[in-house]
Amino acid sequence: AQRVTQPEKLLSVFKGAPVELKCNYSYSGSPELFWYVQYSRQRLQLLLRHISRESIKGFTADLNKGETSFHLKKPFAQEEDSAMYYCARKGGYNKLIFGAGTRLAVHP
Amino acid sequence: NAGVTQTPKFQVLKTGQSMTLQCAQDMNHNSMYWYRQDPGMGLRLIYYSASEGTTDKGEVPNGYNVSRLNKREFSLRLESAAPSQTSVYFCASEVQGAGKLFFGSGTQLSVL
Repeated sequence: AQRVTQPEKLLSVFKGAPVELKCNYSYSGSPELFWYVQYSRQRLQLLLRHISRESIKGFTADLNKGETSFHLKKPFAQEEDSAMYYCARKGGYNKLIFGAGTRLAVHP
Repeated sequence: NAGVTQTPKFQVLKTGQSMTLQCAQDMNHNSMYWYRQDPGMGLRLIYYSASEGTTDKGEVPNGYNVSRLNKREFSLRLESAAPSQTSVYFCASEVQGAGKLFFGSGTQLSVL
């Protein structure tokens, strides 16, 4: 099965600290990977995708095929970054499969 | 532009009751999804529809059925609800193969 693993259920940091949300995926030649975010009382939404190589709200994510990882990083966390973050990948028949999610709490 | 609309927002059922969760999108997307969200387990795919008239099982399809009535609508039916189906259910739509999903606001379902 093509799985996505997010090992941390909760990541708690102080404002201004660096953030790294971990995501590992089961091996597949050319995975399509994504990060989704759910802010309090808002709908789940796409944050970024690896093929775009973009930085959104200061977040970046690099695909590391050797480590089969797609960690989400931000150098300086802000309180408004507090949310639930999901890593996801395209699976068979192009279905999107999500990990268990990591709750990021940024404290003042 | 409403995006993805789910109804109802909340529902309480007794064990054995049936119900249908409705989902409609107005973005002319081909693909539609039903997920359930449970604490510690994230989003798990129940059913998927790549296009009108096609459906495919996801990770946790047991106890559910779906209907892709037309391009806009994708409903999820619980024939005989069980307490294990207590969850938050999300519908989503996607431009074919793009990986960018648009989610509904969710249905909080409790089965007593």
